[in-house]
Amino acid sequence: GAVVSQHPSWVICKSGTSVKIECRSLDFQATTMFWYRQFPKQSLMLMATSNEGSKATYEQGVEKDKFLINHASLTLSTLTVTSAHPEDSSFYICSAPSRWPNSPLHFGNGTRLTVT
Amino acid sequence: EDKVVQSPLSLVVHEGDTVTLNCSYEVTNFRSLLWYKQEKKAPTFLFMLTSSGIEKKSGRLSSILDKKELFSILNITATQTGDSAIYLCAVDRANAGKSTFGDGTTLTVKP
Repeated sequence: GAVVSQHPSWVICKSGTSVKIECRSLDFQATTMFWYRQFPKQSLMLMATSNEGSKATYEQGVEKDKFLINHASLTLSTLTVTSAHPEDSSFYICSAPSRWPNSPLHFGNGTRLTVT
Repeated sequence: EDKVVQSPLSLVVHEGDTVTLNCSYEVTNFRSLLWYKQEKKAPTFLFMLTSSGIEKKSGRLSSILDKKELFSILNITATQTGDSAIYLCAVDRANAGKSTFGDGTTLTVKP
């Protein structure tokens, strides 16, 4: 079964509003989670690394004030897209490192965001 | 900066054909190379490769890594329409956790 749960799976919002996406690790603790964004016909681009109890680390070119990340507990990280615009429409995917060493990331099922 | 390059970017074949997907990489402190299949949602893990020359196999899919040439291939034999997907290659650094992805190969298998 899924080990990382992401909600919502899809959301439509109006331009200027904010949207929160949740990523939960199930049955294990994740001190680190990764947030990726994927535009149509493109690959996954890492946006930021979410660190439990401290500030997120953002990749170059990602606006930290626009994409707010909170990792308040060992099982939950949230990404809030603030003042969303149509160009923010994308597929957002979170992932968490496996509890087992040398194992692949566990991915959430992603959130399809459409900003109208 | 880590770099992962996949080729071809897209491929159209007919059922029963064999395909080879390519992935080359440049990464500091390489730990592993991973292959994923992505349909409509999140990527599904296929293989993790850490050692050169050892083929990993799962049904009609197989993959191998060449750490000297910084290269991996993913083979799919006797393709089926259900193999149509984006195939992603990613590399991990030691002690980094996060993965760097290539642009993917979009495979379309026609009946």
